[in-house]
Amino acid sequence: NAGVTQTPKFRVLKTGQSMTLLCAQDMNHEYMYWYRQDPGMGLRLIHYSVGEGTTAKGEVPDGYNVSRLKKQNFLLGLESAAPSQTSVYFCASTLDTLFYGYTFGSGTRLTVV
Amino acid sequence: SQQGEEDPQALSIQEGENATMNCSYKTSINNLQWYRQNSGRGLVHLILIRSNEREKHSGRLRVTLDTSKKSSSLLITASRAADTASYFCATDRGAAGNKLTFGGGTRVLVKP
Repeated sequence: NAGVTQTPKFRVLKTGQSMTLLCAQDMNHEYMYWYRQDPGMGLRLIHYSVGEGTTAKGEVPDGYNVSRLKKQNFLLGLESAAPSQTSVYFCASTLDTLFYGYTFGSGTRLTVV
Repeated sequence: SQQGEEDPQALSIQEGENATMNCSYKTSINNLQWYRQNSGRGLVHLILIRSNEREKHSGRLRVTLDTSKKSSSLLITASRAADTASYFCATDRGAAGNKLTFGGGTRVLVKP
């Protein structure tokens, strides 16, 4: 049981480049989330999904897109990376938000130069 | 904007002492959760307390919730060096549920 797996773990992008971060969970969780964490700060929600084929905007969605074509995968895309998107990105999932906590991945450290 | 605000921002204690940190929030909640993050790692869920509960225990952890004051506290008893980490509260808010809003965290250093 791998839990939540994020790939890649590290990436350096040039301004304007695009990339996709992959999150995969093997726990049959309905809910999946993408957060970003900046130095000394808590986590801010980018986008989330309450089930296969659904997505919704979080607190800081600008510059990002997401897709949830399969229940186990949640992809985060950066179409044209900017230095302000330098951050650590965390994916999380949960079975039910009322009764269960989130399971987090180990993070993707992204630097945009 | 962050729903939860942790206090203090940083805490330094000796091994064996208790560590207490507080979280305040602004709107009604379904539940409040606490997470631990070791340096450079993902967050780990510690405990969930529902809005109709006042206190929960898990091992050396004790969480209280006061919905009238919109606040929660996390107590770690008999701390160990391995408890050194950042601790975050997160709230699942009422009608805007299905997602957690995190506070800025408390950095705890337990000195051996």
